[in-house]
Amino acid sequence: NAGVTQTPKFRVLKTGQSMTLLCAQDMNHEYMYWYRQDPGMGLRLIHYSVGEGTTAKGEVPDGYNVSRLKKQNFLLGLESAAPSQTSVYFCASRPQGAKDTQYFGPGTRLTVL
Amino acid sequence: AQRVTQPEKLLSVFKGAPVELKCNYSYSGSPELFWYVQYSRQRLQLLLRHISRESIKGFTADLNKGETSFHLKKPFAQEEDSAMYYCALKYNTGNQFYFGTGTSLTVIP
Repeated sequence: NAGVTQTPKFRVLKTGQSMTLLCAQDMNHEYMYWYRQDPGMGLRLIHYSVGEGTTAKGEVPDGYNVSRLKKQNFLLGLESAAPSQTSVYFCASRPQGAKDTQYFGPGTRLTVL
Repeated sequence: AQRVTQPEKLLSVFKGAPVELKCNYSYSGSPELFWYVQYSRQRLQLLLRHISRESIKGFTADLNKGETSFHLKKPFAQEEDSAMYYCALKYNTGNQFYFGTGTSLTVIP
């Protein structure tokens, strides 16, 4: 099992450009999450999904959109990138049930110039 | 509102010394609390959770509802413990996790 994978690993964008980050998991997990990690801010939840076809806003959703068309994939989109979106983005998945363990991807480092 | 507070951004201890990473939370209900660790060049992973009352790699953490704290402790720090540590909270009725700002632990040989 690959676990949670993220594509791409690195990306540099210019202000105003758009892009999509892909998160994939092969563990048949119900829940998936997108976080951003910034120095001094910890991890902040952007959006999450409790199942295929569902999405919900987290703490910092502005400027991002997500889709969960397939259970194994959770896409994070930036329609018009801004320098404030320079960050490391982490995806996580979690099985439904009492264990509540999140499994994290390796991260995507995004720089917006 | 900051739900999880980790007051120390950086913490250095000598090898063999005790270490305590502080975590306080704000929630009047019954939270679920976790410690996650991120070693250099590795992904974030769960270290332990309060509901299991377990000891992982010599680390323990006790939930103190009176002080709303979930401090992480280890009696004898090792060099391989050097990492970034995050405390996280989940409401028992929700699906979101709230992370603290993290503490970077350095164990000095």
